[in-house]
Amino acid sequence: TQLLEQSPQFLSIQEGENLTVYCNSSSVFSSLQWYRQEPGEGPVLLVTVVTGGEVKKLKRLTFQFGDARKDSSLHITAAQPGDTGLYLCAGGSGTYKYIFGTGTRLKVLA
Amino acid sequence: DSGVTQTPKHLITATGQRVTLRCSPRSGDLSVYWYQQSLDQGLQFLIQYYNGEERAKGNILERFSAQQFPDLHSELNLSSLELGDSALYFCASSQGLAGPGWAQYFGPGTRLLVL
Repeated sequence: TQLLEQSPQFLSIQEGENLTVYCNSSSVFSSLQWYRQEPGEGPVLLVTVVTGGEVKKLKRLTFQFGDARKDSSLHITAAQPGDTGLYLCAGGSGTYKYIFGTGTRLKVLA
Repeated sequence: DSGVTQTPKHLITATGQRVTLRCSPRSGDLSVYWYQQSLDQGLQFLIQYYNGEERAKGNILERFSAQQFPDLHSELNLSSLELGDSALYFCASSQGLAGPGWAQYFGPGTRLLVL
């Protein structure tokens, strides 16, 4: 069974701090996505990474896909209250379904 | 706006009843996925359809069923509802199967409350 474990589960930080969220699995994925979800809304796609070792930057967010395509990280620089939300990673494979991670709930305090 | 639409947005019903949730995927997307999200269990994959055919099943109860129609919209039917079925139900769509680079786009969800 493929599982994606995210850490930390909860994170509360002050505005301006940096943070990193991790997504780990023992399985290999052909692609990995990161989503942010706000209360009562659907997850919104942030980025897709497909190549082992790939790094993508989206403004203050930096995403990395592990060399072996089993893990990923999301780093946020100078966090802002608008970054608050539930961050989900999801792995795609050849089994026609995505596996979602356990989620990291981030709260950025002003 | 992801381009995925779901109706209704809210649904309140009683135990034992049956409801139908509807989803229209983004234009051009052939895959539709259904998920259940509750506070204590996170986002749980239920079922996936690709171009009208069922392609993958997750933790979907026998009381639940789904289908994808020729126009690619999908419906999720929930019957003999129980209190524990109260949750947010999301539909997502993607261009194809879970291949490299093909991410999912989520609808706004249907919040189901079973009383």
